[in-house]
Amino acid sequence: KNQVEQSPQSLIILEGKNCTLQCNYTVSPFSNLRWYKQDTGRGPVSLTIMTFSENTKSNGRYTATLDADTKQSSLHITASQLSDSASYICVVSAPTGANNLFFGTGTRLTVIP
Amino acid sequence: GAGVSQSPRYKVAKRGQDVALRCDPISGHVSLFWYQQALGQGPEFLTYFQNEAQLDKSGLPSDRFFAERPEGSVSTLKIQRTQQEDSAVYLCASSFGTSDHNEQFFGPGTRLTVL
Repeated sequence: KNQVEQSPQSLIILEGKNCTLQCNYTVSPFSNLRWYKQDTGRGPVSLTIMTFSENTKSNGRYTATLDADTKQSSLHITASQLSDSASYICVVSAPTGANNLFFGTGTRLTVIP
Repeated sequence: GAGVSQSPRYKVAKRGQDVALRCDPISGHVSLFWYQQALGQGPEFLTYFQNEAQLDKSGLPSDRFFAERPEGSVSTLKIQRTQQEDSAVYLCASSFGTSDHNEQFFGPGTRLTVL
């Protein structure tokens, strides 16, 4: 069964600190993996995308890693800011079919001053 | 506008009432998706359009749910005889092409509360 699991479910960190969010998946075959940021009351916005051959991708203070062999990904946030408070959703894409996106349940990150 | 828009942003319905949710995708985007997102969960696929053709409706939970995109642009998700379990955020997303590599751009969602 194609599944995407994320941990932790929620996380509270102090402003300026770093954090790492985890994503494990069983989706096969695999096309790509995206990390989305979803602010409260908004739709998800893509942060990074990685294909099978990529093992790291950065977008500003966000760095995603992918180990396609162990089917694990992580999102590292550096020097967190209050505006980083949001849900971070790991989304794994299969190559074919309209219903080809498999969403994790997200990690709710709260950055406090 | 530059992004995907949805209306209304919030809808409160009495159980048994019919509702219609609207999605305006990014102009020129071929693909349009509807998702249902329960509180604290990731989005779950409902249906997919390629232009005006509804190619996949396997995620619609019951025959009370109906979606259309008659001119290949604006889409409407209709829920008949709403039930409390229909309460969720309904997200619309569009993408330029049909490849799995095409990024889906999400709207802000419509939060439906059924009393």
